[in-house]
Amino acid sequence: AQKITQTQPGMFVQEKEAVTLDCTYDTSDPSYGLFWYKQPSSGEMIFLIYQGSYDQQNATEGRYSLNFQKARKSANLVISASQLGDSAMYFCAMRERNTGNQFYFGTGTSLTVIP
Amino acid sequence: DTAVSQTPKYLVTQMGNDKSIKCEQNLGHDTMYWYKQDSKKFLKIMFSYNNKELIINETVPNRFSPKSPDKAHLNLHINSLELGDSAVYFCASSQGDSHNEQFFGPGTRLTVL
Repeated sequence: AQKITQTQPGMFVQEKEAVTLDCTYDTSDPSYGLFWYKQPSSGEMIFLIYQGSYDQQNATEGRYSLNFQKARKSANLVISASQLGDSAMYFCAMRERNTGNQFYFGTGTSLTVIP
Repeated sequence: DTAVSQTPKYLVTQMGNDKSIKCEQNLGHDTMYWYKQDSKKFLKIMFSYNNKELIINETVPNRFSPKSPDKAHLNLHINSLELGDSAVYFCASSQGDSHNEQFFGPGTRLTVL
């Protein structure tokens, strides 16, 4: 079974609108971390936001927030007030303790912001 | 200061050659990784080292050999390069805990002709 599933290969959003990128995960470990990374066309991998399995509140970092629904095992990324510079690939990742803290990445979602 | 650095950034070579990619991190992290990103942007873990010891070795050809001279360095040596090895290779590092993110290097774009 896939550890991380991103079902949206491509998404479009109008500039200044909000967009949600979906991510579901599969683990039986009670201790894990969830991460989102951005990869613009220039190629670097940029860490955006982290959510811990024991965190009671959803993580937020500026215009990024993580909609963490533990029972559903989902960790969707919400980008508010989209900007042209948000156009990029977005990867969801999980790190769980019982597999030696290995990282698992999803297949990514390509986001295009339309002016 | 660059946290995770890789050299070279671009590597163009002929089939059959041997090449190395170097990686260094100055973050004091315990764990370092090598990933391969193919043309479809899929990130595949290749190797993971914790304190100079190999802890993950995914099913990659044995033409790929990682070398960790110390905790801050994890180099990737590739023998007998093949066309299918063309990809972007990322080095990354992290602290060894499920709540710490990975820091990635800028990537090395390898093209095998």
